[in-house]
Amino acid sequence: TQLLEQSPQFLSIQEGENLTVYCNSSSVFSSLQWYRQEPGEGPVLLVTVVTGGEVKKLKRLTFQFGDARKDSSLHITAAQPGDTGLYLCAGVPSSNTGKLIFGQGTTLQVKP
Amino acid sequence: KAGVTQTPRYLIKTRGQQVTLSCSPISGHRSVSWYQQTPGQGLQFLFEYFSETQRNKGNFPGRFSGRQFSNSRSEMNVSTLELGDSALYLCASSSDRTSTDTQYFGPGTRLTVL
Repeated sequence: TQLLEQSPQFLSIQEGENLTVYCNSSSVFSSLQWYRQEPGEGPVLLVTVVTGGEVKKLKRLTFQFGDARKDSSLHITAAQPGDTGLYLCAGVPSSNTGKLIFGQGTTLQVKP
Repeated sequence: KAGVTQTPRYLIKTRGQQVTLSCSPISGHRSVSWYQQTPGQGLQFLFEYFSETQRNKGNFPGRFSGRQFSNSRSEMNVSTLELGDSALYLCASSSDRTSTDTQYFGPGTRLTVL
């Protein structure tokens, strides 16, 4: 079973703090995606990483794909209340490109 | 471009009943995937349809089924509902389902089984 372990599950921080969310697996993924989901809505894609070691930046968000393509991280700098939401990592296993496997998600609360 | 739409948004059923959920993909998208989201299990893949054919299937019992029409609209059906089927059901569409293709999610249908 290809699992994506996401940590931490819950994070409550003050505005202005930095944070990192991790997504780990023992399996290799051909690509990994990060989504953000707000209450009452479906997940919205933030970024896709496909190359081992790849780093992508989206304003205050930095995404990294591990060299071995088994793990990824999301770093948020100077978090704002608008960053509050559920962050999901999802990967396409190299052994089965037809499925998208999701991590359990990280619920982030940024307090003003 | 209109996004993915799902109907109904909320549904309450009782055990033993069956339910049909509908998903209209983004215009031009031919792939529709269905997911079940629960607090305990997170997002789990149900199945994917492409050009009216089921292309991939997750590990759900046969009570969960789906289909896709020629206009790419998709329906999923759950028969003999159980309490554990209470969840947010999400559908996502993409132009094709490749490893890097973007999936666009609808807002989901919140199903409550009493």
